[in-house]
Amino acid sequence: DADVTQTPRNRITKTGKRIMLECSQTKGHDRMYWYRQDPGLGLRLIYYSFDVKDINKGEISDGYSVSRQAQAKFSLSLESAIPNQTALYFCATSDLKGTDTQYFGPGTRLTVL
Amino acid sequence: GDSVTQMEGPVTLSEEACLTINCTYTATGYPSLFWYVQYPGEGLQLLLKATKADDKGSNKGFEATYRKETTSFHLEKGSVQVSDSAVYFCALSENNAGNMLTFGGGTRLMVKP
Repeated sequence: DADVTQTPRNRITKTGKRIMLECSQTKGHDRMYWYRQDPGLGLRLIYYSFDVKDINKGEISDGYSVSRQAQAKFSLSLESAIPNQTALYFCATSDLKGTDTQYFGPGTRLTVL
Repeated sequence: GDSVTQMEGPVTLSEEACLTINCTYTATGYPSLFWYVQYPGEGLQLLLKATKADDKGSNKGFEATYRKETTSFHLEKGSVQVSDSAVYFCALSENNAGNMLTFGGGTRLMVKP
């Protein structure tokens, strides 16, 4: 089984709809991240969480919100989706204890019409 | 702020050709440097990393050397295979910045038989 899972893998929605993307991990890591990937722009950080009570905005948090329900779960919400939020979204985790390697989920492809 | 610049793709090579993907960075401190690889339909996975100047990271025949004097971390492989076709991302994290990764825009490599 994959260590970092994301649901759904693909989603098509309409402008103005509320969308939630979910991420779960079995690695036991404290730190979790949400990125979006756009062609030619690499990955950009949306939000990150160092533990259940610690949530921080990343580079491009406007239009997004997150919830850290448990150490293993970190959800990303788009309160009112707009077309320029069409992108590939990745969740990642990392270990608190010194290593700075991040482990990525398989991604969610979101299309906002 | 920190930034990573890598060569634009796609890079198209024949099997067994030599590969170099250029990566340069700008950072305020002494970052760790990474290459991540994204195979079609999958999330990113760590390919190699280097944590201090003159370190060489290597994995699966790929290698990259942390060059502080030229602020570079170029990815090289002596003989590519069709299975190396993927998107490659250069990234950095500042050692005191909580594992925040800053990514380059990605370089797509296509290897033809």
